[in-house]
Amino acid sequence: KNEVEQSPQNLTAQEGEFITINCSYSVGISALHWLQQHPGGGIVSLFMLSSGKKKHGRLIATINIQEKHSSLHITASHPRDSAVYICAVGVYGNKLVFGAGTILRVKS
Amino acid sequence: NAGVMQNPRHLVRRRGQEARLRCSPMKGHSHVYWYRQLPEEGLKFMVYLQKENIIDESGMPKERFSAEFPKEGPSILRIQQVVRGDSAAYFCASSPSAWGTNYGYTFGSGTRLTVV
Repeated sequence: KNEVEQSPQNLTAQEGEFITINCSYSVGISALHWLQQHPGGGIVSLFMLSSGKKKHGRLIATINIQEKHSSLHITASHPRDSAVYICAVGVYGNKLVFGAGTILRVKS
Repeated sequence: NAGVMQNPRHLVRRRGQEARLRCSPMKGHSHVYWYRQLPEEGLKFMVYLQKENIIDESGMPKERFSAEFPKEGPSILRIQQVVRGDSAAYFCASSPSAWGTNYGYTFGSGTRLTVV
């Protein structure tokens, strides 16, 4: 079993839909990161969470430390949101352990 | 305030050649991390360095791979005698402190290595 599990692996949505991507982890963490990667592109940090909820524009990230679970929500999705979304957890030793990523495609 | 700078963006090497990947951390960041993304796979930790020191190299292949972060200049990931299986995207990240996963962790744009 991977230390960081994401679901779904692939997600196709219509423009305007509300999207949720889930992340569960099985190790002790210092913080959880949500990252975005476009095909052939670099990695952009969206959120870093250690508790509660954060919002930035149409993106919302939540974390439940007791349940070892985090969600990334996108409201009013747009084709430009199409990308790979990656959950990563900071572990002892100051490094990140990554989920496999969720490939999101938003159709217009 | 430039971010984490990696170069080259794309690198093509023939089997048996050496590949050198460079990473300049953000200004004020003294901790550097290298990650590898193999085709169709997730990102995996390779090595964590602080100026002139390797802190954790548990993710580095035992042979042909080495990393350094000298007192002056960028961090270098060096792959000797490259093989096709080394083809991947290599990402560098930096942070200002040893609590980097809690604060200021920033990624570069990556170097895409293709071995032909």
